[in-house]
Amino acid sequence: DTGVSQDPRHKITKRGQNVTFRCDPISEHNRLYWYRQTLGQGPEFLTYFQNEAQLEKSRLLSDRFSAERPKGSFSTLEIQRTEQGDSAMYLCASSLDGRGRLDEQFFGPGTRLTVL
Amino acid sequence: AQTVTQSQPEMSVQEAETVTLSCTYDTSESDYYLFWYKQPPSRQMILVIRQEAYKQQNATENRFSVNFQKAAKSFSLKISDSQLGDAAMYFCASLSGGAQKLVFGQGTRLTINP
Repeated sequence: DTGVSQDPRHKITKRGQNVTFRCDPISEHNRLYWYRQTLGQGPEFLTYFQNEAQLEKSRLLSDRFSAERPKGSFSTLEIQRTEQGDSAMYLCASSLDGRGRLDEQFFGPGTRLTVL
Repeated sequence: AQTVTQSQPEMSVQEAETVTLSCTYDTSESDYYLFWYKQPPSRQMILVIRQEAYKQQNATENRFSVNFQKAAKSFSLKISDSQLGDAAMYFCASLSGGAQKLVFGQGTRLTINP
């Protein structure tokens, strides 16, 4: 399967712990996005990368959140000192920069985080 | 800032019937795109259909079509000949020409009754 993959699919942690999620985009895609989806809501944009450069960050991304894409391939999203309000589905998406053409974002299955 | 509103938290339809999901949006941009995404239970989100705002013709993809009313900022999704596999959460989303982030509505849960 050559779609977007995310690991782990589920994560349960205690408040105050750090967690890290990984996203592997479709291999030729140079854009990568992170969204957060809470129960009963639509996804909300967190951040996006063009290759290894992080080009935009949402105000939702507090200082406890950090995202990286060191080699322009996979990305990690780390949450430090987790809080119960961080419980959500974290979605990753990727797209291919079509040089002015609208690029479809392909989504991964998500990582569901539960903070106890 | 862009906003997307879906006023129907839940909808249900009989198999083989037609259903319309509503969506309104607000944007100050002249160049933007609108989308409907489907999120089946425990499965990943997939694109159903998209519409470029500069196109007057409504987009169609097999049993899925949209009614794009630009002046009213309305973008509804019509599903014809509903099938059991259409059961899912449906999200309306917008993207402005310069930005890369999708802005989603709250979603509509569609149930198909056999």
